Amino acid sequence: DAGVIQSPRHEVTEMGQEVTLRCKPISGHNSLFWYRQTMMRGLELLIYFNNNVPIDDSGMPEDRFSAKMPNASFSTLKIQPSEPRDSAVYFCASSIAGGDTQYFGPGTRLTVL
Amino acid sequence: GIQVEQSPPDLILQEGANSTLRCNFSDSVNNLQWFHQNPWGQLINLFYIPSGTKQNGRLSATTVATERYSLLYISSSQTTDSGVYFCAAPNDYKLSFGAGTTVTVRA
Repeated sequence: DAGVIQSPRHEVTEMGQEVTLRCKPISGHNSLFWYRQTMMRGLELLIYFNNNVPIDDSGMPEDRFSAKMPNASFSTLKIQPSEPRDSAVYFCASSIAGGDTQYFGPGTRLTVL
Repeated sequence: GIQVEQSPPDLILQEGANSTLRCNFSDSVNNLQWFHQNPWGQLINLFYIPSGTKQNGRLSATTVATERYSLLYISSSQTTDSGVYFCAAPNDYKLSFGAGTTVTVRA
């Protein structure tokens, strides 16, 4: 069974550039989550999708962040323009339904110079 | 949201030792998850344990929902057990994570 797949695993970019992170959830899972992990704030939920529909985006820090889920097997998190304070590890997770066990991908370590 | 507190914040163990990690949560929950974040940053599911006790190899977990706490036991610790252990309690779909317990197992 393939777990949650994320790409890229590492991304180094310069301030002002657009960054796109990708996620493929576990097949059959209807819920998808994007998290950000930093030393200062720990793990924060950015956005939650259920059946490809964004349900809760209250954690998205600002308009520079956007997320889409065009189909059940793919989601993107985009940052445009990126800033050094966006440097963090971004995790995607999926679950069968909203309150069920969440399975995390390996994460994308983003560094914005 | 639900407040989750973990203790101790740091734990240093000699290989082969046993240990107990604790997770307290502020409200009734219908689920509790334990994760291990290894030194490479991967978050690995350990247990989904709303109540009772579960065992997986050298690890076991007990949740006492009525008293709002969960315990994670590591027996005969190995260096591969090093990392950060998180517990997380859901409020509907939203997981509230504790700050984690950093475990270092020395050979």
